[in-house]
Amino acid sequence: GAVVSQHPSRVICKSGTSVKIECRSLDFQATTMFWYRQFPKQSLMLMATSNEGSKATYEQGVEKDKFLINHASLTLSTLTVTSAHPEDSSFYICSAPTGGAGTEAFFGQGTRLTVV
Amino acid sequence: QKEVEQDPGPLSVPEGAIVSLNCTYSNSAFQYFMWYRQYSRKGPELLMYTYSSGNKEDGRFTAQVDKSSKYISLFIRDSQPSDSATYLCAMSVSGGGADGLTFGKGTHLIIQP
Repeated sequence: GAVVSQHPSRVICKSGTSVKIECRSLDFQATTMFWYRQFPKQSLMLMATSNEGSKATYEQGVEKDKFLINHASLTLSTLTVTSAHPEDSSFYICSAPTGGAGTEAFFGQGTRLTVV
Repeated sequence: QKEVEQDPGPLSVPEGAIVSLNCTYSNSAFQYFMWYRQYSRKGPELLMYTYSSGNKEDGRFTAQVDKSSKYISLFIRDSQPSDSATYLCAMSVSGGGADGLTFGKGTHLIIQP
């Protein structure tokens, strides 16, 4: 399958600071990428859709000013958690489809964020 | 009612048994159905990808979709201890390429040696 690389795999930050997470499609171009969040023993929940060259689309209840998404190239999307608080501690995962509708979505390894 | 219901388990079976994992859903617009395997909070790994109703087989894995009942299944034959993981069902309207996926909670599967 296609390879999606996510970095870092784990990060600990202090409350009030910002953290950037990168998601790269290594062997294909992705005009769209998706960001999910997973709390312990819960489903992956879609946070936002990242579109190359345009603004991200956020799901209801997700603060766009807190979770900044930038999709500057066809192989890279970044999620920045701004002014992080302990309640933002979670597992963040990106995915990238290999094409448009009807194609498979492959996931990165995930980033475990802990805010202390 | 949640969009996708999946029994979180844990489901524990002996090695070699046939495993049946299931999800139900409420959104009749879903057309694409997937099963992912997730180890220890790593990123999900795609196992099966199906469109509309029917069966799909890949090695020891068989996926079934019954859209009329809004019910999907994953069968694992000759289960191995290495199959122990969390299995997530996921579905979407446009196949994951144009829209994000809606996931179940995941079923924690344990295969006993």
